[in-house]
Amino acid sequence: DVKVTQSSRYLVKRTGEKVFLECVQDMDHENMFWYRQDPGLGLRLIYFSYDVKMKEKGDIPEGYSVSREKKERFSLILESASTNQTSMYLCASSQAGRGNSPLHFGNGTRLTVT
Amino acid sequence: RKEVEQDPGPFNVPEGATVAFNCTYSNSASQSFFWYRQDCRKEPKLLMSVYSSGNEDGRFTAQLNRASQYISLLIRDSKLSDSATYLCVVNADYNQGGKLIFGQGTELSVKP
Repeated sequence: DVKVTQSSRYLVKRTGEKVFLECVQDMDHENMFWYRQDPGLGLRLIYFSYDVKMKEKGDIPEGYSVSREKKERFSLILESASTNQTSMYLCASSQAGRGNSPLHFGNGTRLTVT
Repeated sequence: RKEVEQDPGPFNVPEGATVAFNCTYSNSASQSFFWYRQDCRKEPKLLMSVYSSGNEDGRFTAQLNRASQYISLLIRDSKLSDSATYLCVVNADYNQGGKLIFGQGTELSVKP
């Protein structure tokens, strides 16, 4: 079974702090993704990566950056957390392919920025 | 127009009912389609892929209509445990690899 592990289930940070959200997958998947999910807005793609050291902007990259130094690990960084970044953050991975691979999600990090 | 649109519901149905969800997508180049299920405060989980010829998995049937750019999910003989949000998922573009776009989800509540 694919396992995608997110480092924290719940996180509370202060405005202006630098925040790191870590995600590790154990199935040697090439593709990794970061989404955020908000009521009424659904899941929105922040960043994704198809390979080590490679990253692509999703639909809402502003205020975020990512790092993929190893194939199994994909980190989301909030450079200076703001209250509008309070959300549920979901990491996912999939096998390389032409879009026909389903995503496997971690169980999410609920981030509150005060 | 949103890339993937779903009726948000909620759909409130009695146990044993048949319920159908529809989803429309805007990118005619999309090639891969899925239905995910998300329980309250949990992560989305793959329910089933949707194939061109339609496919069935137990009480669940998925259909794809490329000409009209919509996908459907039919649930027969609803169970209480089917209560969840159902997410329609489409790949953004065949040339964008694994990038998937999610609909906002349709909430289903099955009552005794």
